[in-house]
Amino acid sequence: NAGVTQTPKFQVLKTGQSMTLQCAQDMNHNSMYWYRQDPGMGLRLIYYSASEGTTDKGEVPNGYNVSRLNKREFSLRLESAAPSQTSVYFCASRAKGRLNTEAFFGQGTRLTVV
Amino acid sequence: AQKITQTQPGMFVQEKEAVTLDCTYDTSDQSYGLFWYKQPSSGEMIFLIYQGSYDEQNATEGRYSLNFQKARKSANLVISASQLGDSAMYFCAMSTILSYQLTFGKGTKLSVIP
Repeated sequence: NAGVTQTPKFQVLKTGQSMTLQCAQDMNHNSMYWYRQDPGMGLRLIYYSASEGTTDKGEVPNGYNVSRLNKREFSLRLESAAPSQTSVYFCASRAKGRLNTEAFFGQGTRLTVV
Repeated sequence: AQKITQTQPGMFVQEKEAVTLDCTYDTSDQSYGLFWYKQPSSGEMIFLIYQGSYDEQNATEGRYSLNFQKARKSANLVISASQLGDSAMYFCAMSTILSYQLTFGKGTKLSVIP
């Protein structure tokens, strides 16, 4: 089982460039999440999608957009990258409806904006 | 709004000793779940243990146990008989039945000393 797959694993962008981080899960999960991880800050929620067709802002949504393309895929777009968006990005998915279901994470994308 | 606080940025423990990692939470929802994740230096997120707000017993999973004190809003992770492989970042997280967000704390870096 692939679980949660994120692409790419590494990316270097110039300030002002745009890019889309892709995430796909094969576990038939309803809910999907995008986080960024910075030293000393833990994982901060950017956007999440509780179910197909819905998206909601998390703690740090500014500078990002998301698309829940279908049940499997949830993409994160940086329209105009800034050095402050240098981070490690994690996608996660989770079954909906029961609290006692853990989230499964992708391997992360290390993004550097120069 | 929901919030997780981990007040120990770093901890040291002697191999084979037990260690407690602190986590306090804040939510106005009555139904919620608490999770602990481990992140080794390789970067992947590994689910360890879950505690539901209505669970009467403290959760246990092998060497991991959760000291859940609902009135104090704390959900501390206890690792017994520490091993060198336990050296990692540990994150506490919570989710509620209403919002389904998954909110993380800033983490605790545990170092196991031989």
